[in-house]
Amino acid sequence: EPEVTQTPSHQVTQMGQEVILRCVPISNHLYFYWYRQILGQKVEFLVSFYNNEISEKSEIFDDQFSVERPDGSNFTLKIRSTKLEDSAMYFCASRTTMGAADTQYFGPGTRLTVL
Amino acid sequence: GESVGLHLPTLSVQEGDNSIINCAYSNSASDYFIWYKQESGKGPQFIIDIRSNMDKRQGQRVTVLLNKTVKHLSLQIAATQPGDSAVYFCAEILNSGGYQKVTFGTGTKLQVIP
Repeated sequence: EPEVTQTPSHQVTQMGQEVILRCVPISNHLYFYWYRQILGQKVEFLVSFYNNEISEKSEIFDDQFSVERPDGSNFTLKIRSTKLEDSAMYFCASRTTMGAADTQYFGPGTRLTVL
Repeated sequence: GESVGLHLPTLSVQEGDNSIINCAYSNSASDYFIWYKQESGKGPQFIIDIRSNMDKRQGQRVTVLLNKTVKHLSLQIAATQPGDSAVYFCAEILNSGGYQKVTFGTGTKLQVIP
């Protein structure tokens, strides 16, 4: 069964460094999402992406964040200058426009630790 | 200020019993609702969904009930098994022009006692 994959599974970085989190959505999906989950808290929406542009973003997704689909398979989240409070699990999700079009399928997540 | 993690409500059930997990949602215009299961260290996993024009939907061992009058959603798991132990949360989805706004609930921790 096709699934969303994410790399790395765990990223440790120093405060102020740039990080890029990578996702490979399910191949026939056209909508892509990033979410984060701070330890012990609920999942929070960051950004949605369709047709090579951001379709919606939350107030969390400030100028330090950017997303990109550099090729036909990868979807990346970049944090330019990480802060301690960026430490969280980051989930990528994707959905199709056909069939069960409303369901987002989540990847296993990347745990980001900012020291 | 200091951030404090959520204290999740916990539901403990005996293996073989039925479980009922509840969720209150906020937007009466939401089109669609999903229940997710999240095991420790993993991403949310889709369980079952229901559209806003329905009030009940059944899957394999799971049933979702939707009460739009009081904006309440419930997940019933029949014959609960140890592998059902996880955090369960609902998500409400508002579709607009092909885009989605997804809002997640805080979750309930289900502990199955063998």
